[in-house]
This record gives sequence, C-alpha cells and structure tokens, in this order.
Amino acid sequence: SQQGEEDPQALSIQEGENATMNCSYKTSINNLQWYRQNSGRGLVHLILIRSNEREKHSGRLRVTLDTSKKSSSLLITASRAADTASYFCAPLPIQGAQKLVFGQGTRLTINP
Amino acid sequence: DTGVSQNPRHKITKRGQNVTFRCDPISEHNRLYWYRQTLGQGPEFLTYFQNEAQLEKSRLLSDRFSAERPKGSFSTLEIQRTEQGDSAMYLCASSLRQGQHINEKLFFGSGTQLSVL
Repeated sequence: SQQGEEDPQALSIQEGENATMNCSYKTSINNLQWYRQNSGRGLVHLILIRSNEREKHSGRLRVTLDTSKKSSSLLITASRAADTASYFCAPLPIQGAQKLVFGQGTRLTINP
Repeated sequence: DTGVSQNPRHKITKRGQNVTFRCDPISEHNRLYWYRQTLGQGPEFLTYFQNEAQLEKSRLLSDRFSAERPKGSFSTLEIQRTEQGDSAMYLCASSLRQGQHINEKLFFGSGTQLSVL
C-alpha cells in the first residue's frame, strides 16, 4: 500500500506540552509530506522532507525521517489550542504513480 | 494567488439525482487532484489530471463518477444517480509539477460537502 499509517489515531494533551505523531510506510520514497486539516476545511501543507534528509525544522515543527525503518515523526513543540486538528503524512513512492495517498491521520486535541 | 476554489461549498440532493462540482485551481498549477473524505477518515484518492489529461482514476470509483478538465484549467466532478453512500466531503487540490521535479506540494480547496437524502 502506498499510504502512510499514522499513530496514534488520537492524541490529547495540555496546552504548552509537546505533541509527537508517527508515520509508517511500506515502499521506498522520494519524499514524505505532512499536512494539517482543521475541522471542515481542506488540508494544509506543513512540511516536506526528502529521502536523503534525516531531520527538518519549520517554526515549532520538527520532522524526522528514518528510511531504514520506513518511518517518520512530527513533533509540535509548545502546543497551542490552534494546533487542534488532524495531521496526515503522505509518502511519495519512487515506483508507481506519482500521487499522494493519505491514511486516517492523527486527531490532535490541545486542551487549554 | 487566490488559492484553490471549490463550488458549491455545500450541496444537498435527493437520491438518484445528478450533481456536479467545480474546482478552480491555482492558475499556474498543471496538476489537479480530486479526493473524497468521510467523517473521521483520511482523504481517499479519486483521480488526477496533468493539464487536460486524466492520468489515473481510482479503481474504487464507480462508473457513476466522471471528472473532466477540458482546457487544463478548472475541473468538474460529476456524480450520476447519487446514492446515500456518496455523502462525503469532496476535496480538490492542485500542484505545480515541473519536469522531473517531484518535490511538489498540494494546495487544497475547502471542499464541497455533499449530503444525499
């Protein structure tokens, strides 16, 4: 299967804490992307990490990629109520169709 | 850059009716994608275009679904003889694929919420 599998399916933390979400995939990839979706809205691109990169930062986001384990993690530091959303990973495979396929995501709730 | 626009935002229809949704991508984007999403699930890939060519259509998509992108700009998604199981959010996304550059990112519209009664 081309899609990534996010874990956990749901995560609830207190505001100010860090949130970590994980993604596993099965194929060799060109890159892996993370997207956020607020309730009732479209997805918003957060960050892209290439297969030859191990870590990438963007503001309060930190993404890691371990191609040997076929896994990625998204860390959100100092969480805010506005971070409440669903988060999806999307690996882009080397072989086959060049399209993004999404899993069920992680539903993150930040409690004030 | 006005973003990806989808119309209508909401559509309520009766079972058996036909519906059509429209997506206007970001103007310079050559790729356009359609996804379907039900509550609590991730977006499910339906089909995508590069310019006016439809490159792939999901095997899960029945013959009642058809999509077009006649001039490589806006796209329409039509569902014929709607069923209650078609109720979902239909998302459109666009991207710019330049040659072999594969690090494109998708820009999504806000979706069309379809309710089939």
